[in-house]
Formats: sequence, structure tokens, C-alpha cells
Amino acid sequence: DIQMTQSPSSLSASVGDRVTITCRASQSISTNLNWYQQKPGKAPKLLIYAAFNLQNGVPSRFSGSGSGTDFTLTISRLQPEDFVTYYCQQSHSRSYSFGQGTKLQIK
Amino acid sequence: QVQLAQSGAEVKKPGSSVKVSCRVSGGTFRTYGINWVRQAPGQGLEWLGEIIPLFGTVKTAQKFQGRLTITADTSTGTAYLDLSSLRSEDTAVYYCAREAVSSSGFSAQYGMDVWGQGTTVIVS
Repeated sequence: DIQMTQSPSSLSASVGDRVTITCRASQSISTNLNWYQQKPGKAPKLLIYAAFNLQNGVPSRFSGSGSGTDFTLTISRLQPEDFVTYYCQQSHSRSYSFGQGTKLQIK
Repeated sequence: QVQLAQSGAEVKKPGSSVKVSCRVSGGTFRTYGINWVRQAPGQGLEWLGEIIPLFGTVKTAQKFQGRLTITADTSTGTAYLDLSSLRSEDTAVYYCAREAVSSSGFSAQYGMDVWGQGTTVIVS
């Protein structure tokens, strides 16, 4: 199975900051990597699909990059509603897997 | 607008089984995959498996093989997750999520774009 490792597990930042979350796959997954945002008590929401494609309706301050084993989610100009948890997920292998999550906290 | 509506919360005894449903409305059912993902209290997301109704194909995480069954009723547009031999570690919120698939039955790589509201399963 492909293991997904996110870093950091938590991150403190301020409104207006630019932050980057990293996701590393245990083997190459091409660009078959998705990013989700989850607010407390809610279902996850798709932000980025296939590594760098912005899902319809998602603000342009969110962006994704990477291929192979290393990927990043960048949020520019953090807004108050962005301080929640983010997950990466690979859809390359027959068995999917998620990263352990990154909780974004207000400094 | 596509919506995935899940069945209500369940409280189960250890060793028993639970069946959670996910009804798709407002969109095509057969040509998408329905994934099942769970989240234990305070923990991250865990992928359980997927069914693609058009092809009748099912894949499940190795960890759950032998006690997880995923089915679909195309006449009602409903997918089901059936988990047996429940233990306390199965206490979680269970989500269904839609994923576009290609004509050959593989992920179309558009991510899980529509999610159900979640079903709480407590094993105690």
C-alpha cells in the first residue's frame, strides 16, 4: 500500500500569511493526488484534484503543485475561515490512502 | 445539484454488524464510483473501499477484507456499506463520497467531489 506523509501535522500562522503544506508519497503516484479541507463536524471538501487543478468554486488563494512523490498545497493570504484541517489523498493505486492531516491554527 | 444522503446514526454491540446506506440524488449514479471513508473521534480520514455500479466492481482496503461488504442498488441509486464483527475501534463517522470514473472503470482523477453528511456508528 502507498503511504502518504503530511508535514507539518500542525501549523500556526496569521491572517494574511502564506503557508505551504507538504505531502510525500511512499512511491511515485504521478499527479494522482488530491487535497481536501475539513471543518470541525463537517464532511471533507475537495480543494485541488490531480495535484494542481482547482475545484470549481474554490478560491484562487489555494494552489497545488508537485508530481511523483512530493506535493504541496499553498494558501496565500490566509483568511479566518482557512484555519481548519487539510488532508492529501492519493488515487494512484487500487487502494486509496490519505495523509494524516495538517491542522492550521491561528497564531 | 447532486446530493448524497446517508442513513442515520447507529449504536451497535461488539461482534455485531452495521449497514450504512448512501442515496444519490440529482445526478447519475451508475457512472460514478462511490467511496467509503471513515473518521474515528479526533483522528484522520481512512479510506475503506469503493464500488463502481456501472461495472459492478468493488475494491476494499486490505485491512477490512473479510468483514467489509460494499454493494449498490442501481434501481434506487443507493450504495451500502456493511461492516461485520464490529469492535470498539470501528466507532467512527462513516462518509460516502462520489468519484468520477473513466469508461474503463478507473478513477478519472477528479477527486471525491461530493460527500454525504456522515453517519455516526458507535460500537459499545
